[in-house]
Amino acid sequence: ETGVTQTPRHLVMGMTNKKSLKCEQHLGHNAMYWYKQSAKKPLELMFVYNFKEQTENNSVPSRFSPECPNSSHLFLHLHTLQPEDSALYLCASSQDPIGRTAAYGYTFGSGTRLTVV
Amino acid sequence: AQSVAQPEDQVNVAEGNPLTVKCTYSVSGNPYLFWYVQYPNRGLQFLLKYITGDNLVKGSYGFEAEFNKSQTSFHLKKPSALVSDSALYFCAVNNFNKFYFGSGTKLNVKP
Repeated sequence: ETGVTQTPRHLVMGMTNKKSLKCEQHLGHNAMYWYKQSAKKPLELMFVYNFKEQTENNSVPSRFSPECPNSSHLFLHLHTLQPEDSALYLCASSQDPIGRTAAYGYTFGSGTRLTVV
Repeated sequence: AQSVAQPEDQVNVAEGNPLTVKCTYSVSGNPYLFWYVQYPNRGLQFLLKYITGDNLVKGSYGFEAEFNKSQTSFHLKKPSALVSDSALYFCAVNNFNKFYFGSGTKLNVKP
């Protein structure tokens, strides 16, 4: 285990469903991230939270809604998704969002495999 | 535009042979360079990084990578591959506190 826990590991949902992905870290990190991983494509950064505040939204459709209640928890709320949203969703955290983060890199969770039917 | 290129979708190598997974980047400034490995149904795990200093960096599981500034490359290498090295490898660049990932290279090590 890396210290970043994602649940559920697998999720199948219909296009009209509402579901949430959860990410939890107890590493003392102050920044958390959502990434989308699709086959043969670079990881796509979706959202960045620094000290619970959203600092980046990479033009993500509104059917994805993030929530960060505290520095240890991050959610991704899903509604009315499309089949092309099927992917592995990875959560990551880093120690310091400013300056020193570059040298430390990220700690990733194992991901949630999402299938939209 | 900032980008990271991994030109090979897949690399096949026999166990015991040396392996190389290629990575080139196009960013401004002096980036920090990383390699991550992903095993099936797992998240990305840190392998090694180059920040400054010696161009040859050593990381986990016997892997190493060579930073070449003139060629803007950061190829991952291992002198003798193991079957257990089979996984998906991602090159990443951190530039001005933003990470850019390559599309990944699948490494297949055959017995």
